Amino acid sequence: QQQVKQSPQSLIVQKGGISIINCAYENTAFDYFPWYQQFPGKGPALLIAIRPDVSEKKEGRFTISFNKSAKQFSLHIMDSQPGDSATYFCAASFFGNEKLTFGTGTRLTIIP
Amino acid sequence: DGGITQSPKYLFRKEGQNVTLSCEQNLNHDAMYWYRQDPGQGLRLIYYSQIVNDFQKGDIAEGYSVSREKKESFPLTVTSAQKNPTAFYLCASSIFQGDTEAFFGQGTRLTVV
Repeated sequence: QQQVKQSPQSLIVQKGGISIINCAYENTAFDYFPWYQQFPGKGPALLIAIRPDVSEKKEGRFTISFNKSAKQFSLHIMDSQPGDSATYFCAASFFGNEKLTFGTGTRLTIIP
Repeated sequence: DGGITQSPKYLFRKEGQNVTLSCEQNLNHDAMYWYRQDPGQGLRLIYYSQIVNDFQKGDIAEGYSVSREKKESFPLTVTSAQKNPTAFYLCASSIFQGDTEAFFGQGTRLTVV
């Protein structure tokens, strides 16, 4: 039972462009939505996270947009760079049950 | 340096053998998790533990076992009952309540031949 759906599965973006990855969730009890970045052969690392009391959070070139009514959230990477090439996972959890439910991942490739 | 250490990085086993993957953390985190990662399927939760001497099954616990005798350690045993054990295994830890950021180890790639 997949509670967090992620798309696209893979994405190719030109250097300097905007990368957009989308996620949708089903469980309205979720109240914490992080994005993780994973490089080949490494464990994922937290990139940015949002709680549903705000609609957007920005950290440098990375922005999360959150739409509570649509139960969707997305990651935007501005001015994408080759070093951003990695697999990105969205996730969700809720207070009192801190285990994260992950999306299936998006392999992002930034080309020159 | 605080963090999570998984060992070994690569592991090869013959079919039918049990194998134990090590996970140690020095972050003083209460909660620890084991995930399995397969191409196109994301991270699926195998087991998690929120306190010492207690653990809960995740979404794909069949064929796996764990123990949590110490706060710092959460080993995972892949038993011969696991039908398709070849995968990348990730251990993580987090503070039990509040900020739920999970810190991951570098993973163990298990290949069963």
